[in-house]
Amino acid sequence: DSGVTQTPKHLITATGQRVTLRCSPRSGDLSVYWYQQSLDQGLQFLIQYYNGEERAKGNILERFSAQQFPDLHSELNLSSLELGDSALYFCASSVVGDTEAFFGQGTRLTVV
Amino acid sequence: AQSVAQPEDQVNVAEGNPLTVKCTYSVSGNPYLFWYVQYPNRGLQFLLKYITGDNLVKGSYGFEAEFNKSQTSFHLKKPSALVSDSALYFCAVTQWGTGFQKLVFGTGTRLLVSP
Repeated sequence: DSGVTQTPKHLITATGQRVTLRCSPRSGDLSVYWYQQSLDQGLQFLIQYYNGEERAKGNILERFSAQQFPDLHSELNLSSLELGDSALYFCASSVVGDTEAFFGQGTRLTVV
Repeated sequence: AQSVAQPEDQVNVAEGNPLTVKCTYSVSGNPYLFWYVQYPNRGLQFLLKYITGDNLVKGSYGFEAEFNKSQTSFHLKKPSALVSDSALYFCAVTQWGTGFQKLVFGTGTRLLVSP
């Protein structure tokens, strides 16, 4: 168990809908990262937050947004969902940048 | 921009034999290099990292990796494979001193260890 908790584990929703994925980092970790894993694009970095502030942005679509709250948990919001958004979404956390990140078990999103 | 290449989609090895999973990287400065393993329906588990220092890095479950700056490689190795090592392995890189953790992953190599 990495100590990173993601909810829900599975999510099935229809095209056009909006969902929120939640992540609780390891105790004491200030950095939270979101990744998308799909068959065609592999593991892609989406976004990083550090102590509530956005620090780095990757290939995140405009339909997606994230935030980190004062208690350090993070949420990834996905809107106007398309079939291609079906993927495994991982959250990871670390103490500070430039150290290894610990991953949650992921949320499997299926858009139908 | 940083990148990682894992040239083999799958590596097959018999139990008890040594294994190597290959990784090459490209960064403009000094790299941080990582290996992660993913078991079915599980998240990524950290195996080992290279930041600086000895080129041979030892990690979890008997795995080690050798950093080779001239060949820009960071191959994962284990002297004696176990069936339970069968999983998907990812190499990742980030750049030293960037102040943030944007891990760039390779496409993954599936390791299959046969009894």
